[in-house]
Amino acid sequence: AQSVAQPEDQVNVAEGNPLTVKCTYSVSGNPYLFWYVQYPNRGLQFLLKYITGDNLVKGSYGFEAEFNKSQTSFHLKKPSALVSDSALYFCAVRPWNSGNTPLVFGKGTRLSVIA
Amino acid sequence: GAVVSQHPSRVICKSGTSVKIECRSLDFQATTMFWYRQFPKKSLMLMATSNEGSKATYEQGVEKDKFLINHASLTLSTLTVTSAHPEDSSFYICSAKQGDYEQYFGPGTRLTVT
Repeated sequence: AQSVAQPEDQVNVAEGNPLTVKCTYSVSGNPYLFWYVQYPNRGLQFLLKYITGDNLVKGSYGFEAEFNKSQTSFHLKKPSALVSDSALYFCAVRPWNSGNTPLVFGKGTRLSVIA
Repeated sequence: GAVVSQHPSRVICKSGTSVKIECRSLDFQATTMFWYRQFPKKSLMLMATSNEGSKATYEQGVEKDKFLINHASLTLSTLTVTSAHPEDSSFYICSAKQGDYEQYFGPGTRLTVT
């Protein structure tokens, strides 16, 4: 069975500094990997995904993530954080060609960007 | 990207009553929809997988007689919380699958049972 670990409940960063939100995964075979962001009382918004190809994936709002197969990681990064980036971030995974298998989510990491 | 809507966005009901939440894929056909539940400051917990025209598959520990799921068409799935209790209060999020790997999420429904 697949699983996702987000080791940090909370990440605090000053505005303008780079940010990293960590994610490691476990899945049988090759993974599909996703990052979503959630604002208060809202659904999930898609940020980016890794399916295949280039290990560095660029997504919405200046975010990017790097797929590292040897470390089974897919950390989310942004070179310069904005206060408006403050939200709850979820990493998710499912195996390749897994039919209707749903995404499995990590527990989420709350990002707080301080002005 | 594809759009998924949920209705209502917020509902308050009395204990013992039933509440229906609708999930629609607005610009694509979704053969599979998923229902998640999110507790405060917690991750999303998958409740069930719904395939159009067939019975939903429930995750372990989810009462199928309490959480009725109907996926009558390729663009609509409904979740009915029957005989609601205060502990059913939660944020319910649906997701519709397009193609082999994309899952699109609705904006969520905040259910409060008094």
